[in-house]
Amino acid sequence: QSALTQPAYVSGSPGQSITISCTGTNSDVGTYNLVSWYQQHPGKVPKFIIYEVSKRPSGVSDRFSGSKSGNTASLTISGLQAEDEADYYCCSYTGRHFLFGGGTKVTVL
Amino acid sequence: QMQLVQSGPEVKKPGTSVMVSCKASGFTFINSAVHWVRQARGQHLEWMGWIVVGSGNTGYAQKFQERVTITRDKSTSTAYMELRNLRSEDTAVYYCSAGARDYCVSTNCYPRGVSDYYYYMDAWGKGTTVTVSS
Repeated sequence: QSALTQPAYVSGSPGQSITISCTGTNSDVGTYNLVSWYQQHPGKVPKFIIYEVSKRPSGVSDRFSGSKSGNTASLTISGLQAEDEADYYCCSYTGRHFLFGGGTKVTVL
Repeated sequence: QMQLVQSGPEVKKPGTSVMVSCKASGFTFINSAVHWVRQARGQHLEWMGWIVVGSGNTGYAQKFQERVTITRDKSTSTAYMELRNLRSEDTAVYYCSAGARDYCVSTNCYPRGVSDYYYYMDAWGKGTTVTVSS
């Protein structure tokens, strides 16, 4: 199976909001709400930031929010900050396995 | 807090096998699932497989189905990933990650509060670099 489709790059200025899309199929994102998002700073370990499409684990900033429509999930970062500059990955359950997206590099201008 | 400690870096020759270990602490291991994810340099995360610790049930990505085995030892709270018939394209950082029902501080455990926790990669190990080279 191919990776879920994410834009390679998204950028924004401090304080702005940005949205990262994650497009799958009706075999994964479209069927299951078991979609999660991970943040990875360069050279660091991924960090779990969103689960079940839109829920935040305790300790994760409420500037991160998630949603889903059809086969596309989205991650929105509001009030963009310098520390948000990182790679972001979506992940979906597919009924038996899991698929990651290709990753999106977020740049804070 | 939830912690996963992985074994050290490995250098292997093509055609051989590697086993990476992942020792868990800070949560109730039996109420968790452990996922294995790899990342080649400059590339995206790639899910390889998982094990539901309590039942021992496993699932593997189709790409790795024939070459990978994930196991766990409940007595030592350790999960293992063996990858066989290594090739140069398997050179990557291999991560274990876990989704668990609770987290423990000293002898007290508290609900982690993540529903369907098996399906998420909550805690991550620091990664094990596996280099395949002749």
